Amino acid sequence: AQKITQTQPGMFVQEKEAVTLDCTYDTSDPSYGLFWYKQPSSGEMIFLIYQGSYDQQNATEGRYSLNFQKARKSANLVISASQLGDSAMYFCAMREGSHKLSFGAGTTVTVRA
Amino acid sequence: SQTIHQWPATLVQPVGSPLSLECTVEGTSNPNLYWYRQAAGRGLQLLFYSVGIGQISSEVPQNLSASRPQDRQFILSSKKLLLSDSGFYLCAWSRRDPYEQYFGPGTRLTVT
Repeated sequence: AQKITQTQPGMFVQEKEAVTLDCTYDTSDPSYGLFWYKQPSSGEMIFLIYQGSYDQQNATEGRYSLNFQKARKSANLVISASQLGDSAMYFCAMREGSHKLSFGAGTTVTVRA
Repeated sequence: SQTIHQWPATLVQPVGSPLSLECTVEGTSNPNLYWYRQAAGRGLQLLFYSVGIGQISSEVPQNLSASRPQDRQFILSSKKLLLSDSGFYLCAWSRRDPYEQYFGPGTRLTVT
């Protein structure tokens, strides 16, 4: 069964606008972690933001914020004030247990000038 | 600060040839280490992880193997490559807690 679902294969956003990337997850483990990574065309995976299942507040890192809705099992990434350099593939991932990260299929974001 | 290195960056190998990809981490000790594979346009699939020297856990049965001869060195190998081994291979490390993983630059492998 798919553990991480990203339903948007591709999105376009105007420079300086905000964009929301959807992510839903499936787990029966009460302790888990949710991550977002950015993969530019160079291929390197860049860690953006982390949300623990017991965290009371939504995580924020600069222009990135994670909209964590535990009851809905969703962990959407919001990128504010989009920049041309934000054009990349974005992956949502979930950690269950100690080691394994399960990744979604990814969403391609293209920022237009 | 910590850095993670992978080499080579790109590799073209014939079917049936051996493979050795190397990953090293600097600036930390006793990291967890991981090998992932990414098919074109897809998400990442965990292949192996290691919590210490000589300790390897395999996530999927396949034509590949991994070894950790030193604390900060992780090697991915194959005795005979298959066409289906083509892909983008990423090494990652993490601390014990809080487990976010940091990735290397990757190796793009093409098996011909």
